[in-house]
Amino acid sequence: GQQVMQIPQYQHVQEGEDFTTYCNSSTTLSNIQWYKQRPGGHPVFLIQLVKSGEVKKQKRLTFQFGEAKKNSSLHITATQTTDVGTYFCAGGYYGQNFVFGPGTRLSVLP
Amino acid sequence: DTGVSQDPRHKITKRGQNVTFRCDPISEHNRLYWYRQTLGQGPEFLTYFQNEAQLEKSRLLSDRFSAERPKGSFSTLEIQRTEQGDSAMYLCASSLINSPLHFGNGTRLTVT
Repeated sequence: GQQVMQIPQYQHVQEGEDFTTYCNSSTTLSNIQWYKQRPGGHPVFLIQLVKSGEVKKQKRLTFQFGEAKKNSSLHITATQTTDVGTYFCAGGYYGQNFVFGPGTRLSVLP
Repeated sequence: DTGVSQDPRHKITKRGQNVTFRCDPISEHNRLYWYRQTLGQGPEFLTYFQNEAQLEKSRLLSDRFSAERPKGSFSTLEIQRTEQGDSAMYLCASSLINSPLHFGNGTRLTVT
């Protein structure tokens, strides 16, 4: 079946430093979504990427979808303490469900 | 839009008992998903519905798990003969086709 991998598993950064998490699928995706989960909360949708090579920005967050539609990345510029949480990618497969990666847990030291 | 509602929020049960959880999706959403999440892991897909039809069920899901969405609105997830390994957060999400998933707050199951 489909597998979605994410690295790193954990990332500790100093406030103001940048952060990147990478997502890889074993097979081609139809689309990819990114979610953020705060401690004790549920996953909250951030963005969806559909087109090969697509890049989208949300303030300090930059999302990329690979040319082969098998990988994606999320980059946060100048992290803030409010960025703390676990970031999940979820691969959408043609006609099927969304498969979540294991997540990258981000901690930001003030 | 009142969001996705799940009931109960917490359930403690003894091993061997049956439990049933309910999910009320966002009203106009035709897709409804069930995921299971354990500490430090990503949501694990269990099953999903489009309207009342159950379109996919995880091969990892044992026969003790069953889900229904009888009228294409709310859904129930039943676990029969619970085991300690079933302890997890059970998340429900709803969406339109190929659109973002909106998650509920989940039902935390503890099997003693």
